Amino acid sequence: AQSVTQLGSHVSVSEGALVLLRCNYSSSVPPYLFWYVQYPNQGLQLLLKYTSAATLVKGINGFEAEFKKSETSFHLTKPSAHMSDAAEYFCAVSSAGGTSYGKLTFGQGTILTVHP
Amino acid sequence: DADVTQTPRNRITKTGKRIMLECSQTKGHDRMYWYRQDPGLGLRLIYYSFDVKDINKGEISDGYSVSRQAQAKFSLSLESAIPNQTALYFCATSDHLGEQYFGPGTRLTVT
Repeated sequence: AQSVTQLGSHVSVSEGALVLLRCNYSSSVPPYLFWYVQYPNQGLQLLLKYTSAATLVKGINGFEAEFKKSETSFHLTKPSAHMSDAAEYFCAVSSAGGTSYGKLTFGQGTILTVHP
Repeated sequence: DADVTQTPRNRITKTGKRIMLECSQTKGHDRMYWYRQDPGLGLRLIYYSFDVKDINKGEISDGYSVSRQAQAKFSLSLESAIPNQTALYFCATSDHLGEQYFGPGTRLTVT
């Protein structure tokens, strides 16, 4: 079984401030981890993914995430928020094997608001 | 052209009606999925298919059915729509690692 918990359904930051969106996962087999972004009235777009290579993963739009096995975490960060980052962000886990192989389980989502 | 297309994009229907949501993909992937999105609940898996002859229920399949007509096509049906099926529906396709490519979504309202 696999699950994802995103801490904080809403996060608000000022433009230029650090963005930190938290994600913890549970998986009985080695996980693959993903962050997706959803802009208003659009589908989901992949930001970045971890598939057992480097633990620090860089994605699009200046985002990055670090896989920490000991903490079962995959937090998303960006050093300096931009107004265009305002969106909803989803963390998701897939398994490298087992009965959940290839299936994504999503967190509840975090809405990021960026203030001028 | 988009890799994953969904039709219709918006639909309003009445309780008890049968409706079908269609999805097509040009990624060449074998795997396809249907999700629904509700505020505060993230995306929940309705059905998934790992190839044309493979159909599996997800976590919330009650009230829904699917058909995999071809590698590129996967449709979702609501046999008798009810108001709590009002939601945003997404189709997706993936490679074997699980990275999924999403369609633009269908906003369904059941009155």
